[in-house]
Order: sequence, then C-alpha cells, then structure tokens
Amino acid sequence: NAGVTQTPKFRILKIGQSMTLQCAQDMNHNYMYWYRQDPGMGLKLIYYSVGAGITDKGEVPNGYNVSRSTTEDFPLRLELAAPSQTSVYFCASSYTGGGYNEQFFGPGTRLTVL
Amino acid sequence: GENVEQHPSTLSVQEGDSAVIKCTYSDSASNYFPWYKQELGKRPQLIIDIRSNVGEKKDQRIAVTLNKTAKHFSLHITETQPEDSAVYFCAASNMDSNYQLIWGAGTKLIIKP
Repeated sequence: NAGVTQTPKFRILKIGQSMTLQCAQDMNHNYMYWYRQDPGMGLKLIYYSVGAGITDKGEVPNGYNVSRSTTEDFPLRLELAAPSQTSVYFCASSYTGGGYNEQFFGPGTRLTVL
Repeated sequence: GENVEQHPSTLSVQEGDSAVIKCTYSDSASNYFPWYKQELGKRPQLIIDIRSNVGEKKDQRIAVTLNKTAKHFSLHITETQPEDSAVYFCAASNMDSNYQLIWGAGTKLIIKP
C-alpha cells in the first residue's frame, strides 16, 4: 500500500493564479481531510469528506474548494491564490469505526504564494 | 463547539528525564483522545490514543492519562531519548457524532543531551 499520496511536493504560485493539490489514498478509507499548517503552528481543517460525493467545510474553507468523485481521490482547488495561503497542506484519511479514528497523513505540499 | 488547549508550547528536558504534556477540552461529549508526533519536516503520525471509558493507556515509554471529570488528558514520556524531539499534538473528538478531530496547538519537545 502506498497509503496517502500528495502531489506536488512543492509549488510556487503568483498572486491570482489557481492550482489543484492532488490527494489519493489506497486504503479504502471513507473519511478524507485537508489541513493547512502555517510555520510553527498547528493543524487547521480546511474541508473534509465522509464519502464519495459528500464534502463539508472545516475551520478555514475560504479561498478553497474540494470535490470527491471517488473513494480514492480528494483534490483541493485554490482559486485566486493570495500570500495568506502560503502554507504546508496535508491531506489525511481515516476509517471510522470501532470508536477509533486514526488519521493517516500524506507527506504534504509546501505552497508559496508570491 | 469543542476547544482544545495544549500546554506548554515548548518543553525542554534533559535526556533520560520524563516529559509531560497536558491538554484540556471543553466538550464533555468528547470520547476519543489521540496524540500525534510530528518530526521536523515530516507528516504527523499517531503515537497513542485513548477512549473515554479508559483512564490510562501505556505503550512502552509513552502513556496517556485521562481525567473526564476535569476534562483534561496528558501525554507522559519516560526515559526520554534524542529521537523523542518533535512537535506533539493532542486532539479530541466525539466519535458518536461527526468524528472530526479538534486539535491542540502543539508542543515542541526538545531533548537536551
């Protein structure tokens, strides 16, 4: 199993550009998440999905969009990039059941907006 | 909604000593409390978790304790080693509702040689 994979690893965007961060998992997990982590800070939830076709906003959704057409993939779209979106983005997935919820994280995408 | 506070933000201990990190939560309905470790430049990884029907859980040198009445839980690391240096995050969740993890702000643990 590859686990949770993310592409790209690094990206520099100019203000106003758009891009899609890719995330895929091969563990057949129902839940998937997108977090951002600013330097020296904790994890903030952007969006999450409880299954294909179902997404919901997290704590900081403004400036982002997501879709979940398959169980495996959960892309994050940035429209009109702003310097405030400079961050490390982590995708995660989990199988919720049995009262536990271990989230498995991808390696992250380091995004800089200049 | 749920709020998780984590202290201290930085903890420096001598190698071989113990380290304790504390978290408090606000929602009495929370019933699942995991701890994640994030090494520099790496992804967060689960190191231990506890359900609300258990007061303590151990795994070798790490342990987690939970006080439901006071709504706080702690991570204990004994006989600290250089590889314990990392940022540790606590989180809380109500596994009977929406499963979302509410995260603490993190504690940077420094192990001094």
